[in-house]
Amino acid sequence: EVQLVESGGGLVQPGGSLRLSCAASGFTFSDYSMNWVRQAPGKGLEWVSYISVSTRIIYYADSVEGRFTISRDNAKNSLYLQMNSLRAEDTAVYYCARRAYDYSFPDYWGQGTLVTVSS
Amino acid sequence: EIVMTQSPVTLSVSPGERATLSCRASQSVSSNLAWYRQKPGQAPRLLIYGASTRATGIPARITGSGSGTEFTLTISSLQSEDFAVYYCQQYENWPPWTFGQGTKVEIK
Repeated sequence: EVQLVESGGGLVQPGGSLRLSCAASGFTFSDYSMNWVRQAPGKGLEWVSYISVSTRIIYYADSVEGRFTISRDNAKNSLYLQMNSLRAEDTAVYYCARRAYDYSFPDYWGQGTLVTVSS
Repeated sequence: EIVMTQSPVTLSVSPGERATLSCRASQSVSSNLAWYRQKPGQAPRLLIYGASTRATGIPARITGSGSGTEFTLTISSLQSEDFAVYYCQQYENWPPWTFGQGTKVEIK
């Protein structure tokens, strides 16, 4: 069974930093590209970042470019999101999502971790 | 960036009835369109990809159709687990992946 478990969320002040983690199991993590997608309270889904299997290809949404850094450790079956210079508008549930093999849509999502940016 | 627009925002349907949800793309996405269902407090679950292919474990009462810029998700004979928020997502032209704003299917 595919499982994605996020952690690392919490309350942080504006301008602060936070590192999210996503632990993957039930599939060969090193075979799949991964993404982070977020959802502000009561709002829709917003793609945040993408990382390829080899980490050679990385993309960011314009809203987080230069502030967030995506990474992965295939030996640890883990995905990360380092978030710096956090703003109130970054408040959201952050989901890690697996990109489907041979396709470009997300096929499995974790349960999410809540990040709240507030003073 | 391709903008996805869903309608209606809210759909009130009685259990056992049919629900029809629409999704429009600002430019052609061919058949590179997925649908997700999200229940309160849960992660989105993949329902349909390729505009009309059901994901693993999705029942036949859920069907997707369309291509280009106009897409439809039809849920026949609504069950309790179908009352949720539904999102469409294009993967024709990315980054970024873009999602519709969602349609909430509520009990009438």
